[in-house]
Amino acid sequence: AQSVTQPDIHITVSEGASLELRCNYSYGATPYLFWYVQSPGQGLQLLLKYFSGDTLVQGIKGFEAEFKRSQSSFNLRKPSVHWSDAAEYFCAVGPLGREYGNKLVFGAGTILRVKS
Amino acid sequence: DTGVSQNPRHKITKRGQNVTFRCDPISEHNRLYWYRQTLGQGPEFLTYFQNEAQLEKSRLLSDRFSAERPKGSFSTLEIQRTEQGDSAMYLCASSFKNTEAFFGQGTRLTVV
Repeated sequence: AQSVTQPDIHITVSEGASLELRCNYSYGATPYLFWYVQSPGQGLQLLLKYFSGDTLVQGIKGFEAEFKRSQSSFNLRKPSVHWSDAAEYFCAVGPLGREYGNKLVFGAGTILRVKS
Repeated sequence: DTGVSQNPRHKITKRGQNVTFRCDPISEHNRLYWYRQTLGQGPEFLTYFQNEAQLEKSRLLSDRFSAERPKGSFSTLEIQRTEQGDSAMYLCASSFKNTEAFFGQGTRLTVV
């Protein structure tokens, strides 16, 4: 079965420090991979996506992620965290049945806290 | 293009009442998805439309839930005889074919 694991429920980093959020997936074929961010009480905003090609993808707000097929991972990174990055981050994999569109399976999320 | 719009943003209802949520997708998007998100969890897929056709429903979608997308435009999600376990954030997303999905702000349902 398809699944996404985000091992860290909470992460706290200092403002200006680097960040890496981990994501491991289980999927039977070449996946589409996504990172979304959610502020409290809000919907999800797409940070970046991997469909094919270059395994290092750049996203918005200075985020990047690297697809490593051998490790079934798609970790999110940012070189210098800003206080406004505090939010919950979700990794997702899809599609689950290409003929039925790209519905997603999400991880449980990682809450990022930024300390000044 | 104002993005995916969901209404209402918040709904408080008494157990046993019916509720209906609306989602207006991005205008050129032919695919529309409903997800449910409970506290501390990631969103879970509920159902999916391509144009007006409902192509897939999750086992999470009990008989008390019904979704429609008349004319392939906006969609409604109705929950009949609400239960406390239905309390959650209901998220709508849309996409154009196999491109990435864009999410709305969600409707927060509280059943008391």
